[in-house]
Amino acid sequence: NAGVTQTPKFQVLKTGQSMTLQCAQDMNHEYMSWYRQDPGMGLRLIHYSVGAGITDQGEVPNGYNVSRSTTEDFPLRLLSAAPSQTSVYFCASSYSGAGRYNEQFFGPGTRLTVL
Amino acid sequence: QQQVKQSPQSLIVQKGGISIINCAYENTAFDYFPWYQQFPGKGPALLIAIRPDVSEKKEGRFTISFNKSAKQFSLHIMDSQPGDSATYFCAASKWGSTLGRLYFGRGTQLTVWP
Repeated sequence: NAGVTQTPKFQVLKTGQSMTLQCAQDMNHEYMSWYRQDPGMGLRLIHYSVGAGITDQGEVPNGYNVSRSTTEDFPLRLLSAAPSQTSVYFCASSYSGAGRYNEQFFGPGTRLTVL
Repeated sequence: QQQVKQSPQSLIVQKGGISIINCAYENTAFDYFPWYQQFPGKGPALLIAIRPDVSEKKEGRFTISFNKSAKQFSLHIMDSQPGDSATYFCAASKWGSTLGRLYFGRGTQLTVWP
């Protein structure tokens, strides 16, 4: 298994540009989520999904959109990039058997810089 | 409101020493407390976790101590090694919750000097 994969690894955007961060997992996990990591702020939840077709907002959802059309993929869209969105983005997924939603597996991250 | 508070922000320990990181939580509904370890340029990885039906869990050199009445839990790293140098995050959640949401502390950067 490849686990949780994220692309791209690095990205530089100009203010106002849009882009999609890709996340995929091959573990048949139902629960997937996106976090951003900023220095001294820990990991903050952006959006999450408990299954295909179901998404909800986390702690810092403004400026981001998600959709979940398949179990495997959970892309994160930046609609109009702003310098405040400069961060490292992590995708995570959880095994759903026996209520084990909490054991989350993280991808390697995407480092995004918005100029 | 920060659900999980973690301290210290940074920690420097000599090789062979004991590293201790503390976390406190507010929500009494939380019943699952994992610790994640993150190396530079990598994603966080689950290190060890505890549920409140036990007061302590040990895996090798890593031990979680849990105090339910004080709503606190801590990570102890015995015989700390330079390879343990990483950022550590505590988290809290309601075990088995459909939402599966983890609330993270802000992290502790551990440096172990040889």
